[in-house]
Parts: sequence; structure tokens; C-alpha cells
Amino acid sequence: AQKVTQAQTEISVVEKEDVTLDCVYETRDTTYYLFWYKQPPSGELVFLIRRNSFDEQNEISGRYSWNFQKSTSSFNFTITASQVVDSAVYFCALSETRYSGNTGKLIFGQGTTLQVKP
Amino acid sequence: DADVTQTPRNRITKTGKRIMLECSQTKGHDRMYWYRQDPGLGLRLIYYSFDVKDINKGEISDGYSVSRQAQAKFSLSLESAIPNQTALYFCATSDVQGPGGKLFFGSGTQLSVL
Repeated sequence: AQKVTQAQTEISVVEKEDVTLDCVYETRDTTYYLFWYKQPPSGELVFLIRRNSFDEQNEISGRYSWNFQKSTSSFNFTITASQVVDSAVYFCALSETRYSGNTGKLIFGQGTTLQVKP
Repeated sequence: DADVTQTPRNRITKTGKRIMLECSQTKGHDRMYWYRQDPGLGLRLIYYSFDVKDINKGEISDGYSVSRQAQAKFSLSLESAIPNQTALYFCATSDVQGPGGKLFFGSGTQLSVL
């Protein structure tokens, strides 16, 4: 069955530290998509990245980077030189193709709360 | 103006009351979704719709119903609210017709059932 696990419930770091948020997924599909969303204290959900299962290249966007490894079914998210504004809940999500039909629905992990202290 | 608008932002109601949460979008997307967020559980899918005549149940549809009044409007109703429906509710649209679409979320409705 499809599943997304974010084992880290809460992480606390001091500003300028690097932090990695873990995401492990389960799917029977060979074609699927992975996402990260950020939920700041204001509550809205902000899209960060979408990656399809055929693209295992790591991606970097400013202080953010993502490491996708199909061999371990992981899609981890690293924030370099964290800042207080990075404090938020971060969600990893999976979108299947074949086994969820054509729904386009996202299966979310439980979320990781990141607190960055000044 | 927000592309996906949810009303109200906050709602307090009593057990047994019927309430409606509304969602409208200006993105022109056909696909719309309702999710609820509970602490420690992430977001779970309640209902989704591909167009006005195509509405489908998600994983946790019991106790909920929806109405797609137009391409731009998708409402969620709680027929008889109960305390365990206290949650943060999100409406979302998708940017593609198939899987893998990016979801665009509204700002959420915090619902409390007393």
C-alpha cells in the first residue's frame, strides 16, 4: 500500500545550522511523483518541489536541496544555514499513477515541525 | 486576491449542527480536492472532483458531503458535526488533468466542533 513516513516529528536547531528532513515512501508504482510542501505558522501550504520517479538528480534551490534515492525509497530535504524564517511544518507527499488511478491525489506524510532558534 | 479562497477562515459550531465550508478558485483548474489536517496525521483526502458531474470519495468521506456548483466552486458540508471533526480543512486545485499535478491550496478553515 502507498505510504509516506516522516519519522522526525519535531526538530529544533540553532540558526545557521544545516538540517535534513527525512522522507521515506512506499509504492508499487514504477511511475510516481514526490513533493515537499512548507506550512509556516500562518497556516497556508506552500509548494516547494515536485520530482518524478525517473529523475533521480539531486536538486538545489538556494539554501534548499533535495536528495532522491530510489534504492532506499527516500526523498530527503536539506536546509543549509537555517534561518528563523524556515521555522514551519514540512510535509512530504506522494502521487501515484497506476495504483491510485487517475486521481492526482497526494498522499501526505505526518509532517515534521522544524523550529529554528535565533 | 488569492487564487484559491476558502470561507470562513475560522468556525466554531456545536455538535449536531450542519455546516458548510466553501471554496472558490480563479485558477481555471478542473480538479479540486478537500483535505483535512490533524496534528500528527498529516493531510488526508476527504473528497475530490474532476468536474461538475464527477465527484469521488477520498479515504475519510464518512460524515461529509460535497457539492461542485461550478468549475470554480467546491463546497464541503458536515451533515451533523461531531467533535472529532475538529480539524484544519484545506481546499486545493490541481494544475494537471492526470497524476503528478501540483496542488494549490487555500488558506484553510479551522473548524472547532464543541
